[in-house]
Order: sequence, then structure tokens, then C-alpha cells
Amino acid sequence: EVQLLESGGHLVQPGGSLRLSCVTSGFTFSSYAISWVRQAPGKGLEWVSGISSSGGGTYYADSVKGLFTISRDNSKNTVYLQMNTLRADDTAVYYCAKDNLWFRELSAFDYWGQGTLVTVSS
Amino acid sequence: QSALTQPASVSGSPGQSITISCTGTSSDVGGYNYVSWYQQHPGKAPKLMIYEVSNRPSGVSNRFSGSKSGNTASLTISGLQAEDEADYYCSSYTTSRTLGVVFGGGTKLTVL
Repeated sequence: EVQLLESGGHLVQPGGSLRLSCVTSGFTFSSYAISWVRQAPGKGLEWVSGISSSGGGTYYADSVKGLFTISRDNSKNTVYLQMNTLRADDTAVYYCAKDNLWFRELSAFDYWGQGTLVTVSS
Repeated sequence: QSALTQPASVSGSPGQSITISCTGTSSDVGGYNYVSWYQQHPGKAPKLMIYEVSNRPSGVSNRFSGSKSGNTASLTISGLQAEDEADYYCSSYTTSRTLGVVFGGGTKLTVL
């Protein structure tokens, strides 16, 4: 059974940093790209960042470029999202999601985690 | 990346069919066949319903179908059922400004 489990979300002050983790199981992790998608309270989905199966390709939304860094450890079946200089409008539930195609990133997301809540507030 | 344009809401009665549109540009919807649709019930994670414009993942009802014409993609749900009431989001691979994914603003489907 494919599973993705996010962790690391909590309350942080504006300007602070946070690292989210996405631990996966049930599929050949090193063959699939992973993305982070966020959803602000009461709002729609926003793609944040993606990483290729090898980790050699990383992609970011304009809103987080230069502030967030995505990485993966294929030995631990885990993807990370390092978030720096957080702002109030980064407050959201952050989902990690698996791409549905082998060795192809940014196609479609067939499995999602349950999400982790990041709240940026003083 | 600018969000794809979806209607804020649509509604239909049980048994009827509805269509949700998703309009982008030649840098996303019109330029690539990586258009997807997701269903999201309140408090739940999104669920993939359609990928690559018109393909259904295993386990998704054949009442759900997708298509594309030019810069506009569409999701059609036939034989509406109460459990179809949810938010629906389209997404597309995009090369506008940078490589990435862009989502639509979402459409609230109400089954009357």
C-alpha cells in the first residue's frame, strides 16, 4: 500500500524557518518524483515545489523561489522541504504528493499524504 | 505562474450531467497534455480523478471523463450522485516563467 506521511508542521514566528519531512512507503521511491502542494485555510490548492526521482531536478513556484529548498534522501524514502524567512501567507496545510509516472516529474499526483499544518504568526 | 480559471461553483441534480471548465494558456493547458483533475472532500486530501487530459486512474468511476480543446480543459461528471459533491481542481504542467505545475482556483460542486 502506497503511503506518504508528512511531519514537521507547527506554529512559527514570521521570519522563522521550518523543515517538513515526507516519509513514504509502498512503492519504488527512487523511481518517482515528489511534489509539495499547499492549501491555505479556506483556499485552493497551490503547487509549491517538486523534485525529480534522482533529485537532480528541482522546481519551485515563483512565490517560494529562493526561500524554500526541496531535497530527497533515496536511502530513507524521504523528501524534505526547508522553508526559510516564513511569512504569514505561507500559513497552510502542506501536502506531499507522488507523481504518477515513472521517471517523469510534474505530470499528475496519484497519491497524497494527509498534510501537515504550518502556521506563521507572532 | 497564474492560476488556471475555473468557475467558482456548479450544481446539478442527481442523475444529471455537469461540466467544469478550466482555462489556461498555450504555456500550460494548450501546450501540453499533462492536464489533471482532482476531487477534494472537506478535510480530506485531494484525489486524482483524471490525468493526461482524459485518462482515469484505476478505481475511478467511468462517470468521470475529461477532454481538452485549445487552451480549455473540461471535466464532465455524468449520472450525478450525492457523493460527487466536493471541490474540484484542475492542474497542468506549465512552462510559463519557470517549469512547474499550476492549479485552477477550484470549483465547488453542489448536488441539489
